[in-house]
Amino acid sequence: SQKIEQNSEALNIQEGKTATLTCNYTNYSPAYLQWYRQDPGRGPVFLLLIRENEKEKRKERLKVTFDTTLKQSLFHITASQPADSATYLCALGGFGGSQGNLIFGKGTKLSVKP
Amino acid sequence: GAVVSQHPSRVICKSGTSVKIECRSLDFQATTMFWYRQFPKKSLMLMATSNEGSKATYEQGVEKDKFLINHASLTLSTLTVTSAHPEDSSFYICSAYTQSSPLHFGNGTRLTVT
Repeated sequence: SQKIEQNSEALNIQEGKTATLTCNYTNYSPAYLQWYRQDPGRGPVFLLLIRENEKEKRKERLKVTFDTTLKQSLFHITASQPADSATYLCALGGFGGSQGNLIFGKGTKLSVKP
Repeated sequence: GAVVSQHPSRVICKSGTSVKIECRSLDFQATTMFWYRQFPKKSLMLMATSNEGSKATYEQGVEKDKFLINHASLTLSTLTVTSAHPEDSSFYICSAYTQSSPLHFGNGTRLTVT
């Protein structure tokens, strides 16, 4: 069956450390993968998109990797800050049809303690 | 950056009544808007794709007579939950798509049906 899983429901880390979130999927062949941030009671905010032919993407303190063999994406936040505390969603896309037809994971709630 | 406004942010209604939710793209024209539903600790689920000037495309299992979608202009899509029941209580989120850009999400509407 098709699944998309984010490694844990919640992740607690200390300020300054690197947070690593995992997104695994089975029986999908996405053309790209996206990461979003969602704060409580708010809509998701786009962070990064990585395509199937890309290994790594960076944006400021964020880094995303995409391994289509392992069917896994890793999302890193370096030098984490309390303001990074939020739920992070991964989403698979590029299956054809509408661009909004993304398959979302349930999210990982990150808490960064000062 | 692109802004999507969703209104209302919260609504409480009685069982059997209808509720309309608006989604507006404030600074760009969106030929396509999407409606999602999100349950606590669950994935965002795409409900329907809304194209300006044409009928919405609903995902499997979503009742089109229950969730009426109108996309009358390039900046406005509405979702009407008709004859609402307590099980329709959820967080509804819209997003809008513009060429060569990731999805921009609204801040969601928390619907509570009593």
